[in-house]
Amino acid sequence: AQSVTQLDSHVSVSEGTPVLLRCNYSSSYSPSLFWYVQHPNKGLQLLLKYTSAATLVKGINGFEAEFKKSETSFHLTKPSAHMSDAAEYFCVVRGRDGGSQGNLIFGKGTKLSVKP
Amino acid sequence: KAGVTQTPRYLIKTRGQQVTLSCSPISGHRSVSWYQQTPGQGLQFLFEYFSETQRNKGNFPGRFSGRQFSNSRSEMNVSTLELGDSALYLCASSFGLAEGEQYFGPGTRLTVT
Repeated sequence: AQSVTQLDSHVSVSEGTPVLLRCNYSSSYSPSLFWYVQHPNKGLQLLLKYTSAATLVKGINGFEAEFKKSETSFHLTKPSAHMSDAAEYFCVVRGRDGGSQGNLIFGKGTKLSVKP
Repeated sequence: KAGVTQTPRYLIKTRGQQVTLSCSPISGHRSVSWYQQTPGQGLQFLFEYFSETQRNKGNFPGRFSGRQFSNSRSEMNVSTLELGDSALYLCASSFGLAEGEQYFGPGTRLTVT
């Protein structure tokens, strides 16, 4: 079965400093991994996705993530935080086994706060 | 292109009632998935429909059901509502199954009193 674990439920950074949101995955197959962002009272927006092409994936709004098979990690980073980045971020893996084939399996989320 | 739309956006129901939520996918998308989001359980997959057929179902009781119409619009129904059904219900559409990138709607906030 596939799963993702987001290692921090809450991360707080100052504006202009780097962002690191950590995610570990578990999958017996080559995983399809995603990061989604959810702003308050809004739906989910896809930031980026990994589907076994380049290990460093660039997304929207300056975010990127690196797939590290040896560490089973897919951490999300951004060099410089902006106030508008304050939101909840979800690491997601696509299910591959039987009943979960194709559907998205979400981590618990990391709430990012950005201080001025 | 218009995004995924969900109606209604907010809903208040009483325990024991039933509710129907609607989702209109992005034009040309044939797959619609539904998710429940609660503070305690996070985001959980409910079911997926493709070409009017349920292709996949999450671990939810039979009170939760859905359907998809020939124009790809989808509805989900929850019967005999319980307090624990209070949640944000999100719909996502994609062009095809499995590897399709999913685009989410803004959700329907259901409150059960």
